[in-house]
Amino acid sequence: SQTIHQWPATLVQPVGSPLSLECTVEGTSNPNLYWYRQAAGRGLQLLFYSVGIGQISSEVPQNLSASRPQDRQFILSSKKLLLSDSGFYLCAWSEDVGEQFFGPGTRLTVL
Amino acid sequence: KQEVTQIPAALSVPEGENLVLNCSFTDSAIYNLQWFRQDPGKGLTSLLLIQSSQREQTSGRLNASLDKSSGRSTLYIAASQPGDSATYLCAVNSGGYQKVTFGTGTKLQVIP
Repeated sequence: SQTIHQWPATLVQPVGSPLSLECTVEGTSNPNLYWYRQAAGRGLQLLFYSVGIGQISSEVPQNLSASRPQDRQFILSSKKLLLSDSGFYLCAWSEDVGEQFFGPGTRLTVL
Repeated sequence: KQEVTQIPAALSVPEGENLVLNCSFTDSAIYNLQWFRQDPGKGLTSLLLIQSSQREQTSGRLNASLDKSSGRSTLYIAASQPGDSATYLCAVNSGGYQKVTFGTGTKLQVIP
């Protein structure tokens, strides 16, 4: 069966510090991968998606970037965090344009 | 631009009651619709996926229906239990990796 992991689970970072969140998927090959952000009281916002190694599409201009160095690894990064980057970050995978499966999430607080 | 609305934002019911959660969308040209539950501080758990060509899907005590012409989907929960307490989200895929729009959810509380 497929599983999806995210780490860390929680993170508290000062403004201006770098960020690296990691997501890995097991039990499937060539998945589509997604990074979402969930802000309090708002719906999920798609940040990035990837259909293959090295292929990244960005949905909104922002202070964040994503990379996919391996088939089942997806990384969300920032060189300098802003207060507005605080939120709950969720990684998801799907096969083609189908059912999406989400990881446990990372709670990021920028102080 | 697809817009997805879930009303009510919160719902409280006694244990054992059958209930219906609503999801409305503005553009009927959809690829599929997915229902999720989210427990506080956790990720989303997929409950049901309805393809555009389907009218409903069932899993255990859950039944989801889709009416594209009216832009509506409902999630029916039979014989609700306290363990059903969570936020329920619907997501509409309008036909692409980047074209999934989420509603803001209905927070359900089932009272023992």
